[in-house]
Amino acid sequence: SAVISQKPSRDICQRGTSLTIQCQVDSQVTMMFWYRQQPGQSLTLIATANQGSEATYESGFVIDKFPISRPNLTFSTLTVSNMSPEDSSIYLCSVAGGEEGYGYTFGSGTRLTVV
Amino acid sequence: GESVGLHLPTLSVQEGDNSIINCAYSNSASDYFIWYKQESGKGPQFIIDIRSNMDKRQGQRVTVLLNKTVKHLSLQIAATQPGDSAVYFCAEINFGNEKLTFGTGTRLTIIP
Repeated sequence: SAVISQKPSRDICQRGTSLTIQCQVDSQVTMMFWYRQQPGQSLTLIATANQGSEATYESGFVIDKFPISRPNLTFSTLTVSNMSPEDSSIYLCSVAGGEEGYGYTFGSGTRLTVV
Repeated sequence: GESVGLHLPTLSVQEGDNSIINCAYSNSASDYFIWYKQESGKGPQFIIDIRSNMDKRQGQRVTVLLNKTVKHLSLQIAATQPGDSAVYFCAEINFGNEKLTFGTGTRLTIIP
């Protein structure tokens, strides 16, 4: 299964600033996904990142707030822009394909706290 | 929109006993279901999956049951161990859009 490395693992940021999260996969994958997990809650899909095209955003998420890059088949970044305390969450990168079957593999996440 | 939900937010089980975590889903077109385990500070980890054309699948100490008639999914963990303490999520996939939709989550605590 794919191995995903996410950086940073955690950060504390000032409101109004931006943070870029990196996701590196050890194999080439077609689709990469970015999720948000607010404190004590489930995972919500932010967007799907495809190489060579603009990311596809889910309802409630916009490119100006969460710009995504996908320069190649093993790497993607998610930027959380103009942060507010409400953006404090865990942000997770995921790729299709995992242990077996159709499972999706997840990175360990980036724990973001906005103060 | 479509949603996947869980009946109970928390569950405590004595070590060695069996546990059952339930999940209700609303999208009858879902093709595939997955159970994930998330430990503190980690991303979700795949446990077991089941296709919509099956009603039961077994793994090591875990069994997933699917009842499409009532849109219900369950995860059974046998002979629970302290390492089973975590939050468990069910998730569904529709092969048409390949999006993974997560349920609310259940926190399982194993009591030594």
